[in-house]
Amino acid sequence: AQSVAQPEDQVNVAEGNPLTVKCTYSVSGNPYLFWYVQYPNRGLQFLLKYITGDNLVKGSYGFEAEFNKSQTSFHLKKPSALVSDSALYFCAVRPHGSGNTGKLIFGQGTTLQVKP
Amino acid sequence: DTGVSQNPRHKITKRGQNVTFRCDPISEHNRLYWYRQTLGQGPEFLTYFQNEAQLEKSRLLSDRFSAERPKGSFSTLEIQRTEQGDSAMYLCASSLAGTAEYGYTFGSGTRLTVV
Repeated sequence: AQSVAQPEDQVNVAEGNPLTVKCTYSVSGNPYLFWYVQYPNRGLQFLLKYITGDNLVKGSYGFEAEFNKSQTSFHLKKPSALVSDSALYFCAVRPHGSGNTGKLIFGQGTTLQVKP
Repeated sequence: DTGVSQNPRHKITKRGQNVTFRCDPISEHNRLYWYRQTLGQGPEFLTYFQNEAQLEKSRLLSDRFSAERPKGSFSTLEIQRTEQGDSAMYLCASSLAGTAEYGYTFGSGTRLTVV
């Protein structure tokens, strides 16, 4: 079965420190990979994507993510966390060639708490 | 056009009642998706439209659920005979075919509470 795992329910970091939010996936083929952020009572906002090419992708608000094919991981990173980064983060995959519906499979989410 | 619009934002209903939600996608987007998000979980795919055609339905979409997109523009999601287990955030997203690798645009969701 195709799935996405975010092994940490919550990540706590101090403001100014680097952060990592982990994501691994189990999907056949070469999927498209995404990170979304959700603020309370809001929809999901797109942060960044990996389609092909350079394994390190850069996105909105200073976030970046590293694709590792051998480890089937797509960890989200930021060199210096801000208190305003505190939110719920979702990793998602779109299985490539999945009937071309564009359906996404999401992880269960990781709450990022950045403390001043 | 400022994005994907969902109405209402919140809905509280008694068990057994019917509810209907509306989604207005970005106007040039021909693909529309419905997802359900329960507390502590990621969004789960419910159904997908390309233009007015409903091309895929999840097994999560029981026979009490129906979705339409009559003119290929807005979409409605109806839940009949609501149950407490239907309490969730219902998210709508849209995209343009051939560009889905750039991610969808999500609406702010409709939060349903069944009491």
